[in-house]
Amino acid sequence: AQTVTQSQPEMSVQEAETVTLSCTYDTSESDYYLFWYKQPPSRQMILVIRQEAYKQQNATENRFSVNFQKAAKSFSLKISDSQLGDAAMYFCALYPGNTPLVFGKGTRLSVIA
Amino acid sequence: NAGVMQNPRHLVRRRGQEARLRCSPMKGHSHVYWYRQLPEEGLKFMVYLQKENIIDESGMPKERFSAEFPKEGPSILRIQQVVRGDSAAYFCASSPSRGGGAYEQYFGPGTRLTVT
Repeated sequence: AQTVTQSQPEMSVQEAETVTLSCTYDTSESDYYLFWYKQPPSRQMILVIRQEAYKQQNATENRFSVNFQKAAKSFSLKISDSQLGDAAMYFCALYPGNTPLVFGKGTRLSVIA
Repeated sequence: NAGVMQNPRHLVRRRGQEARLRCSPMKGHSHVYWYRQLPEEGLKFMVYLQKENIIDESGMPKERFSAEFPKEGPSILRIQQVVRGDSAAYFCASSPSRGGGAYEQYFGPGTRLTVT
């Protein structure tokens, strides 16, 4: 079975500081994709960053970067220089190949001015 | 290139009524996925369709729920005889037609269904 676990229901960060959101997953597939999605109050699902499992280099997108530890099945998201607009629910998701996306339960991030 | 479109954005139904949710994929996409998000939960897969075919409906409740993606027109998720437990946000995603592109899922804005 494919599972995604986000152990932090809520996190908070001061504006301009750095925060890390945790995600662990389980899959028997050797080739898969991992994602972080942002869901603001509008409920629109916005893709933040994507990581291919076969790539050793951690993905980065501007202020967002991941720490992908394949052996440990860990995929954390680091947000640098946090902004008020970063406040949202963040979902970690796994695409194990030929099956649907599997989502974690989410982490609610608050940004304190 | 317009994104994935869903309508209505909000839908209120009384218990026992039918709910029809529509999804128009991105241009050039022929793969559609439906997900349900209960309050304070992540998205849960319901069904995966290609044009005129249901590929995977393993996440769909066996009764009252059905989905279609006709040759022409949007994909429809239909819920018959709705109950309060059906209240949720329903998201549609689409992916490119080329093989192996299923990981590139683009999400619509969702339909929030409220059953009173």
